[in-house]
Amino acid sequence: NFMLTQPHSVSESPGKTVTISCTRSSGSIASTYVQWYQQRPGSSPTTVIYEDNQRASGVPDRFSGSIDSSSNSASLTISGLKTEDEADYYCQSFDSSNWVFGGGTKLSVL
Amino acid sequence: EVQLVESGGGLVPPGGSLRLSCAASGFTFSNYWMHWVRQVPGKGLVWVSHINSDGSSTRYADSVKGRFTISRDNAKNTLYLEMNSLRAEDAAVYYCARDVYELVLVPAALNYWGQGTLVTVSS
Repeated sequence: NFMLTQPHSVSESPGKTVTISCTRSSGSIASTYVQWYQQRPGSSPTTVIYEDNQRASGVPDRFSGSIDSSSNSASLTISGLKTEDEADYYCQSFDSSNWVFGGGTKLSVL
Repeated sequence: EVQLVESGGGLVPPGGSLRLSCAASGFTFSNYWMHWVRQVPGKGLVWVSHINSDGSSTRYADSVKGRFTISRDNAKNTLYLEMNSLRAEDAAVYYCARDVYELVLVPAALNYWGQGTLVTVSS
């Protein structure tokens, strides 16, 4: 089994751009798709990005996803930060037998 | 509007059993892979299990294999998770989630999530 490692927390100011990384411990990041989920405090998760870079329905184009094979990582980039973007963000991928979530990144917008 | 409503959570002693349900509406339930994901309050998300559209294919996380059983009743638009031999570490909020694509052979991604149901394992 592999692991997905995310920074514990990131912070940025409103209007700025932030990038959250997700590094795969073994196996190629490009071998299976990466998803990103947002969870605001006290709420269920919602889907932000699926299949590396596809925005889920209703997600603004301020959110984008990408992968980088050289660093074996995926990234979620949020531009034009809003206070409503403050949440926990989880990456997720899978191999032949297991679905794996990253540990989550707490985004503070202040 | 897609809706997923979990129920069946509660307090159960170690070694006990519980069956969770997830009532689905707003989409053709029988066309989608469905998933269970759990989360200890204040901690991260953990995938538990998923099942294909007709119930013929299931997969489980190693931590629950042999103790949990996922199933579905497409006539009732309901997903289930039968949990046996419960342990303290199974205590969590359990979410059901729908896959993103319909009528596919393999699951792709979680797309819609329920509000969760809390399972507490304690004597």
